[in-house]
Amino acid sequence: QSVLTQPPSVSGAPGQRVTISCTGSSSNIGAGYDVHWYQQLPGTAPKLLIYGNSNRPSGVPDRFSGSKSGTSASLAITGLQAEDEADYYCQSYDSSLSVLFGGGTKLTVL
Amino acid sequence: QVTLKESGPVLVKPTETLTLTCTVSGFSLSNARMGVSWIRQPPGKALEWLAHIFSNDEKSYSTSLKSRLTISKDTSKSQVVLTMTNMDPVDTATYYCARFQVGAKWVDPWGQGTLVTVSS
Repeated sequence: QSVLTQPPSVSGAPGQRVTISCTGSSSNIGAGYDVHWYQQLPGTAPKLLIYGNSNRPSGVPDRFSGSKSGTSASLAITGLQAEDEADYYCQSYDSSLSVLFGGGTKLTVL
Repeated sequence: QVTLKESGPVLVKPTETLTLTCTVSGFSLSNARMGVSWIRQPPGKALEWLAHIFSNDEKSYSTSLKSRLTISKDTSKSQVVLTMTNMDPVDTATYYCARFQVGAKWVDPWGQGTLVTVSS
């Protein structure tokens, strides 16, 4: 059971917009720690997708965006493409100096 | 270019100790802004953080696995070593090492991962 809660799955048709939530608590996201998002394509290692709640590393399309409010964060993907089909994980930190991952969300492009 | 590569046994027996090595390039383990984390992923399951180590040798461990884990580094060899004792079949997973950004606390880049199977 992950400390950060994500929906197990989301889906959308090509071109649509989907969002993935990540819910934490006052000891992690709510304590002010940033949320980061990773994309894991099948059979590969995770890749940093969003850092510092809403920043995109170089090379990540602006179709991907992140936000944070209170004890939760969200990842939004607009203009959904087949290549976006992957597992997505949120990550934060807590006051016990632990890195926390969400349980992961499988995105299916219909 | 920053790269990390995991190495170690692909198969261990129950009760044995697992030793994994992460060899890094493109950054120094003496860089105060960077650390190295170990993260694992059982087949078909979520990511689980295990431990990290910083340039000043400060270490942090997963609360649930702390009694079984030891992380260390050899800066001159650019290597970080993770040991996990008393291995069990439930520890079967892909084990990743990754660079940890000390300030903002994100993990990037990741190594390719190494699948470790625990079976007699």
